[in-house]
Amino acid sequence: QKEVEQDPGPLSVPEGAIVSLNCTYSNSAFQYFMWYRQYSRKGPELLMYTYSSGNKEDGRFTAQVDKSSKYISLFIRDSQPSDSATYLCAMNPGGSEKLVFGKGTKLTVNP
Amino acid sequence: GAVVSQHPSWVICKSGTSVKIECRSLDFQATTMFWYRQFPKQSLMLMATSNEGSKATYEQGVEKDKFLINHASLTLSTLTVTSAHPEDSSFYICSARTGVGEKLFFGSGTQLSVL
Repeated sequence: QKEVEQDPGPLSVPEGAIVSLNCTYSNSAFQYFMWYRQYSRKGPELLMYTYSSGNKEDGRFTAQVDKSSKYISLFIRDSQPSDSATYLCAMNPGGSEKLVFGKGTKLTVNP
Repeated sequence: GAVVSQHPSWVICKSGTSVKIECRSLDFQATTMFWYRQFPKQSLMLMATSNEGSKATYEQGVEKDKFLINHASLTLSTLTVTSAHPEDSSFYICSARTGVGEKLFFGSGTQLSVL
């Protein structure tokens, strides 16, 4: 079993839809959880950074962490064509530990 | 967020030549930088961890002599692909942390094409 599992998609939605992206993990030591957005041929951009279980909201983005289920989600409200990108989840136990990335989900928002 | 600058954004070179990629943290000091490699439609693969003033720590399977990493200052790390071959063609991305346990910010990546 891989440490982090992420459905690669692709996922295609109409503009304005609510998008749900998910990752599961197996290592209970993971404490820090991140979501990155990566446009084609660009470096990943940090979208959300969370530590505890629960929800964290930033504009149209909501990150959700359920440590008991080892499951994290990223919700995008009122999705826009500019949201079309690959979304990567990442996590680590904290400290100087390296990040473990999911494989990424390719999202296309159609106008 | 913190800014990480990476240059060049793309480079084409002949087989057998060496290529240097620079990664700079513009508005913070980064004691640790990371180098990743990414193949099309694949996730990021960590190549090495670069610590300022000390030798880099390479991941298993990454050739130290082919991928030379130097972290001479708190704001600059370089990756040199030595004697590049077509199989080294890939997207290389650097990243830096603002501190231990802190957020990781990425450069814009370098597309290397070896002819």
